[in-house]
Amino acid sequence: AAGVIQSPRHLIKEKRETATLKCYPIPRHDTVYWYQQGPGQDPQFLISFYEKMQSDKGSIPDRFSAQQFSDYHSELNMSSLELGDSALYFCASSRAGKGLAGGQPNTGELFFGEGSRLTVL
Amino acid sequence: KQEVTQIPAALSVPEGENLVLNCSFTDSAIYNLQWFRQDPGKGLTSLLLIQSSQREQTSGRLNASLDKSSGRSTLYIAASQPGDSATYLCAVSRNNRLAFGKGNQVVVIP
Repeated sequence: AAGVIQSPRHLIKEKRETATLKCYPIPRHDTVYWYQQGPGQDPQFLISFYEKMQSDKGSIPDRFSAQQFSDYHSELNMSSLELGDSALYFCASSRAGKGLAGGQPNTGELFFGEGSRLTVL
Repeated sequence: KQEVTQIPAALSVPEGENLVLNCSFTDSAIYNLQWFRQDPGKGLTSLLLIQSSQREQTSGRLNASLDKSSGRSTLYIAASQPGDSATYLCAVSRNNRLAFGKGNQVVVIP
């Protein structure tokens, strides 16, 4: 079965450089999430997109931006990189179901990619 | 803010013993709870998803229970094997995001 594909798997950047991570969700999944996992830490939610619109924003620095394209793939752009940005960046996708009152999308089962390991020197 | 706690942080068991991993969360208004497995430096593999209306889910040697009112979930792994050695993460879902615990790091000794 197709899984979430992330690229690149590894990248090394210098401080103040820019990096772009790509994510290809599972086919027919309409929601994409980005998480950051620092060394020895639990994953932290950055941002999510539902049907190509930003649906939620977590602890994402202003230096980072993301978008979801018409083919549902997503890109995370990171500028002015800092040493503390070194981490594993995970993309996940899900197929949203109907939520509770208000019709908000309900998080279905999340499937994660293998992650992109960013090292900032 | 949702706080997710996993106890114990680390444990070692001899092969064949049953594993019991605990997860607690502070806000019981969740949509679902998901257990993941993570090998060192690798991605997160979904093991079980329990919807907020469910009490438990089973898959092979894995069984997860959910008591939403008390904010607890338990993952049972029967007859542990060395291949079960990994970190197990509990995550609760609300408002389209997951809040993770710090994981239970498990070593199964042959």
